[in-house]
Amino acid sequence: DADVTQTPRNRITKTGKRIMLECSQTKGHDRMYWYRQDPGLGLRLIYYSFDVKDINKGEISDGYSVSRQAQAKFSLSLESAIPNQTALYFCATSAASVGEPQHFGDGTRLSIL
Amino acid sequence: DAKTTQPPSMDCAEGRAANLPCNHSTISGNEYVYWYRQIHSQGPQYIIHGLKNNETNEMASLIITEDRKSSTLILPHATLRDTAVYYCIVSNDYKLSFGAGTTVTVRA
Repeated sequence: DADVTQTPRNRITKTGKRIMLECSQTKGHDRMYWYRQDPGLGLRLIYYSFDVKDINKGEISDGYSVSRQAQAKFSLSLESAIPNQTALYFCATSAASVGEPQHFGDGTRLSIL
Repeated sequence: DAKTTQPPSMDCAEGRAANLPCNHSTISGNEYVYWYRQIHSQGPQYIIHGLKNNETNEMASLIITEDRKSSTLILPHATLRDTAVYYCIVSNDYKLSFGAGTTVTVRA
C-alpha cells in the first residue's frame, strides 16, 4: 500500500548496533502497528499505537522500542540488535472505527550479522 | 487457538473464478471476517471484510453464510498476479492472527 511507507526497505547490520525503522502514512489513520514476520511464520505484533499519546506493547516487545512522533509517523528501534531479530518488519495503519481493516506497508528486510 | 481453518493450497486456472473457503465455526457475534493476501514477502494486502452481509469490491466478493460459521472469498477472474498466500482472519479488535493461510497458484 503506497500510502504506508517504510524506510529503509533493506538493511544489513551487525550485532549490537542500534537500528531505527521508520514508517509514515498519508491515510490520516490514528492507529499504527509494528509487526515482524519470520520465514514460514505468521505476523506477530510488536507494538501498537492508538494515537500519539497511546502506545502499547504487543506480544513480542522485548528488545524493541517505539516512538510516535506525529499522527503520521511511527518508528521502531532495536536498541542493541541481535541475530534472532533478523526478520521482515511491517508497519500497518487503521482508522479508529470498529471493524476498520489494517493497511500494511511493503516491509523492511532486516538482517543482523 | 486457531480461529479459522483454510485449505493449505489450491490451484486455479487463469481467467476462471477462484473460490477460497474459510471455516470459522467459533466466530463471535461482533467479530468481523477479514481477507488479506501476501505476495512473496511483500506486505499483506487487504482484500475485503464483512460482518454479516455479503460484500463486494473491485478486487473480490465475500460470501458469509447465514450462521456466520464459514465464508468464501471469490476472485472473479483470476490472473497470474493473484498467485499468493490468502489469509482469512476473524477479529473484533486490533488483533489480527495470521495463520498458515491458503497458497493459491493461478496457472496459465
